[in-house]
Amino acid sequence: DAKTTQPNSMESNEEEPVHLPCNHSTISGTDYIHWYRQLPSQGPEYVIHGLTSNVNNRMASLAIAEDRKSSTLILHRATLRDAAVYYCILRALLTGTASKLTFGTGTRLQVTL
Amino acid sequence: DSGVTQTPKHLITATGQRVTLRCSPRSGDLSVYWYQQSLDQGLQFLIQYYNGEERAKGNILERFSAQQFPDLHSELNLSSLELGDSALYFCASSERIDGNSPLHFGNGTRLTVT
Repeated sequence: DAKTTQPNSMESNEEEPVHLPCNHSTISGTDYIHWYRQLPSQGPEYVIHGLTSNVNNRMASLAIAEDRKSSTLILHRATLRDAAVYYCILRALLTGTASKLTFGTGTRLQVTL
Repeated sequence: DSGVTQTPKHLITATGQRVTLRCSPRSGDLSVYWYQQSLDQGLQFLIQYYNGEERAKGNILERFSAQQFPDLHSELNLSSLELGDSALYFCASSERIDGNSPLHFGNGTRLTVT
């Protein structure tokens, strides 16, 4: 699986936008970029995913660089409930037998008042 | 609510025992994944099934086994339990196994081995 690199931690003030970066310089042309988050004492939660174009949903936006070697998860207005570990993961389009999702260490987001 | 149901929520057992963790995937999802998360450790992939067949295996111990039944629910069996097996065990499901199909996770089973 291609690797991703994320900062260990980030801080944000409540009600401000948050940009969480992810580098994936070895991404292949058929890898989807997935973002999940894990709140304390809960299972990981799907946030958003995309291939080439920017994506928006009710939770967040995903901005994908033109060369696809990096992406940014954007939380438009952070709330205290967004404090979590955010994982950026690559998942191949055609996975065959290698269809596992490999989690790294993620970015721990702290949101303060 | 992700739609993935895991039972039991908590399990306390002794070393050497055997336990079974159960997972019901989201309606319509054909693939089930099992992950282990120990204290201060990341999520470790164990095994994946698609429509009843094993499709991918991670660092799953020989003492652990799993299966997916015709109704698509899955069970993870852990035997000869050791203290180090204490962890959160998460099940996830997805509609398909390709990259355009996100995973949806349950809230896990917390296993404590004493």
